[in-house]
Amino acid sequence: DSGVTQTPKHLITATGQRVTLRCSPRSGDLSVYWYQQSLDQGLQFLIQYYNGEERAKGNILERFSAQQFPDLHSELNLSSLELGDSALYFCASSVGQEVIDEQYFGPGTRLTVT
Amino acid sequence: KNEVEQSPQNLTAQEGEFITINCSYSVGISALHWLQQHPGGGIVSLFMLSSGKKKHGRLIATINIQEKHSSLHITASHPRDSAVYICAVLNSGGSNYKLTFGKGTLLTVKP
Repeated sequence: DSGVTQTPKHLITATGQRVTLRCSPRSGDLSVYWYQQSLDQGLQFLIQYYNGEERAKGNILERFSAQQFPDLHSELNLSSLELGDSALYFCASSVGQEVIDEQYFGPGTRLTVT
Repeated sequence: KNEVEQSPQNLTAQEGEFITINCSYSVGISALHWLQQHPGGGIVSLFMLSSGKKKHGRLIATINIQEKHSSLHITASHPRDSAVYICAVLNSGGSNYKLTFGKGTLLTVKP
């Protein structure tokens, strides 16, 4: 158990809908990272937040957005969902803001768009 | 050509064997990350390294910046090491950040 929690574990929704994925980092960690893993694209880094502020941005689509709240939990919002958004979404956390810090991964949320 | 290439794609070993997984990249990097993904999907960060060598238990990771190559070694392999091993290279500077993942190496260790 990494100490990082993600909810929900599974999510099934229809195209065009909007969903919110939630992540709670390990106690004491200030950074949260979001990743997407799909069958065709593999793992992709989406975005990092550090202590409430966006720290780094990767391959995040404009239809996706994220935020980190004062209690350090983070939410990833996915809107206008497409079939291709079906994937595993992982969040990870680390103590510092540098990506070189060791990251602890959550169990993931499996999103299925039908 | 992908920026990050891993070899082999699939590897089957007998318990106790010494295993090497390779990662080559074509761009300048700040650091390289090795990850392990278990059959159930969970991901564990193994190493983040920018030079030299790191060791943790039976796992050793090395990187040669000049040759743009990293290796992950597993000594005395065990069936519980069966997993997908993924390398990722990081280019970062300020708020610019690019993390590119390899496609992974599927390792199966047979008892």
